[in-house]
Amino acid sequence: AQSVAQPEDQVNVAEGNPLTVKCTYSVSGNPYLFWYVQYPNRGLQFLLKYITGDNLVKGSYGFEAEFNKSQTSFHLKKPSALVSDSALYFCAVRDDTGGFKTIFGAGTRLFVKA
Amino acid sequence: SQTIHQWPATLVQPVGSPLSLECTVEGTSNPNLYWYRQAAGRGLQLLFYSVGIGQISSEVPQNLSASRPQDRQFILSSKKLLLSDSGFYLCAWRDNSPLHFGNGTRLTVT
Repeated sequence: AQSVAQPEDQVNVAEGNPLTVKCTYSVSGNPYLFWYVQYPNRGLQFLLKYITGDNLVKGSYGFEAEFNKSQTSFHLKKPSALVSDSALYFCAVRDDTGGFKTIFGAGTRLFVKA
Repeated sequence: SQTIHQWPATLVQPVGSPLSLECTVEGTSNPNLYWYRQAAGRGLQLLFYSVGIGQISSEVPQNLSASRPQDRQFILSSKKLLLSDSGFYLCAWRDNSPLHFGNGTRLTVT
């Protein structure tokens, strides 16, 4: 079965510093990987996806993610964090075995301190 | 452009009362539709998904049911709510790759 793991419950970073939110995955077949962000009391917003192609994927709001097949990782990165980036981040994998379900990680809360 | 509407935004219901949450999608046809529940502001649990009218797949046994009476309408229901049904319910749709979420319904069962 497809799964993703986010090993950190929380990541703290100072504004202006680079940030990384970690994700590892387990899939059978080709991975379809996603990052979403959630602000308080709102639905999730799509940030970026990896389907195939370049290992470095660029997304919304200056975020990017690095796909590493040998390490089965898909870490979210941003060169310079903003206070407004503080939110809950979810890594996800698409399961194409039926209904195209999307399986989410437990989420990582990002705090950016001014 | 496509939009998704989910209502109500918040709901407080007593134990044993019925539930009906509605989700509609505009600007697309024959989308895959999903209901997720998020407990304690953390991970998402897939409850139901639908690939077409009248086609419902349940992911976990529970006190809830779902229906899709029209192509772009997805309803989450319960005949008798339990305390454990409290949570943040999210509807989503997908026609190609990423999911698109509604703003959610926060349900508190008292």
